[in-house]
Amino acid sequence: QVQLQESGPGLVKPSQILSLTCTVSGGSISSGDYYWSWIRQPPGKGLEWIGYMYYSGSTFYNPSLKSRVTISVDTAKNQFSLRLSSVTDADTAVYYCVRRITGGRWYFDVWGRGTLVTVSS
Amino acid sequence: DIQMTQSPSSVSASVGDRVTITCRASQGITNWLAWYQQKPGKPPKLLIYGASSLLGGVPSRFSGSGSGTDFTLTISSLQPEDFATYYCQQANSFPFTFGGGTKVEIK
Repeated sequence: QVQLQESGPGLVKPSQILSLTCTVSGGSISSGDYYWSWIRQPPGKGLEWIGYMYYSGSTFYNPSLKSRVTISVDTAKNQFSLRLSSVTDADTAVYYCVRRITGGRWYFDVWGRGTLVTVSS
Repeated sequence: DIQMTQSPSSVSASVGDRVTITCRASQGITNWLAWYQQKPGKPPKLLIYGASSLLGGVPSRFSGSGSGTDFTLTISSLQPEDFATYYCQQANSFPFTFGGGTKVEIK
């Protein structure tokens, strides 16, 4: 059974770069069966889809974040990563890495436990 | 972007009650809609996809319906483990968007 685990700094200074990694266990990113995404949730608020990547390296980002976000993959380590630049208070959130359900539609059936990233000086 | 509006934002109910949550999309999304359940400190859990298909292992007291712009999640007989926040999500077009959530609280 596939499990996802986020890792990275819990505190980032304003204007700096937020970097998180998602480690996939119990399955291979390179199998090509799934797409992988990041979703975030500010404390006490709703969910925002950030973007996706496929093992081949193809990506698509939420236009609201597109200028600041990069999602990349390391198939050798079975990981994918999120990079968000020029962060502000508004980027404080729990960040989840997630898997898209098989079958072609964008529903998310496997979630990491989430990691809280606070933007503060 | 497609806006997803849930109502009510919160509902108080008792064990055994029937609870209905509504989700409205700002434009038609056919039946490309999911429902998630989230408990405090936990990630969301996918319950229903395709507006009405239950994910394996989800109790049959959960059901979903609707198409186009109006959708409903129904819990036929609320159980203690169902007290949580529920989110709808449209899967029709990028960027995928979520409703604001409905918190189901104990009455």
